[in-house]
Amino acid sequence: NAGVTQTPKFRILKIGQSMTLQCTQDMNHNYMYWYRQDPGMGLKLIYYSVGAGITDKGEVPNGYNVSRSTTEDFPLRLELAAPSQTSVYFCASSGPTQGVLDISETEAFFGQGTRLTVV
Amino acid sequence: KNEVEQSPQNLTAQEGEFITINCSYSVGISALHWLQQHPGGGIVSLFMLSSGKKKHGRLIATINIQEKHSSLHITASHPRDSAVYICAVSEETSGSRLTFGEGTQLTVNP
Repeated sequence: NAGVTQTPKFRILKIGQSMTLQCTQDMNHNYMYWYRQDPGMGLKLIYYSVGAGITDKGEVPNGYNVSRSTTEDFPLRLELAAPSQTSVYFCASSGPTQGVLDISETEAFFGQGTRLTVV
Repeated sequence: KNEVEQSPQNLTAQEGEFITINCSYSVGISALHWLQQHPGGGIVSLFMLSSGKKKHGRLIATINIQEKHSSLHITASHPRDSAVYICAVSEETSGSRLTFGEGTQLTVNP
């Protein structure tokens, strides 16, 4: 299993540009998340999804959009990049797995992170 | 007040010392996670637990549901244990969405 695959690893954007951070998981997890981590700070939730077709705002959603058209993919869109969006972004997924009757939890799996700089 | 509080925020130890990191939470949870983030940023899951105690190598995690408290212990610490340790809870009322503590920066000196 590849786990959670997140791309790109690094990106530099100019103010006002847009980009999409890709996130794919192959574990059939229902839950997927996008977090940002500012230097020296903890993880803050941007958006999350509890299944295909369902997304919800986290603590810091402004300036971002997401979609969840499939169980596997959860892309994060930045429409008009601003310097305040300079951060490290992490995608994560966790269970329960799609279609399993047992709704027990699973561990959280994280992508490798995307270091984004907006100049 | 954060829903998940970790202590200490920073911890420096000498190689071989026994280390304890604490996590307290104020919400109903379905599970508690301990995560490790190394310099360079990657985050890996160490434990997920909803009761009792789990052990993996030199790492031990315990949870007391009644007291809403968990501890992560590292026995015979080593410089390679230097990392940020993060406590996260899956909240019962938000469909198991993860809420994170701020993390504990551990430095183990040789």
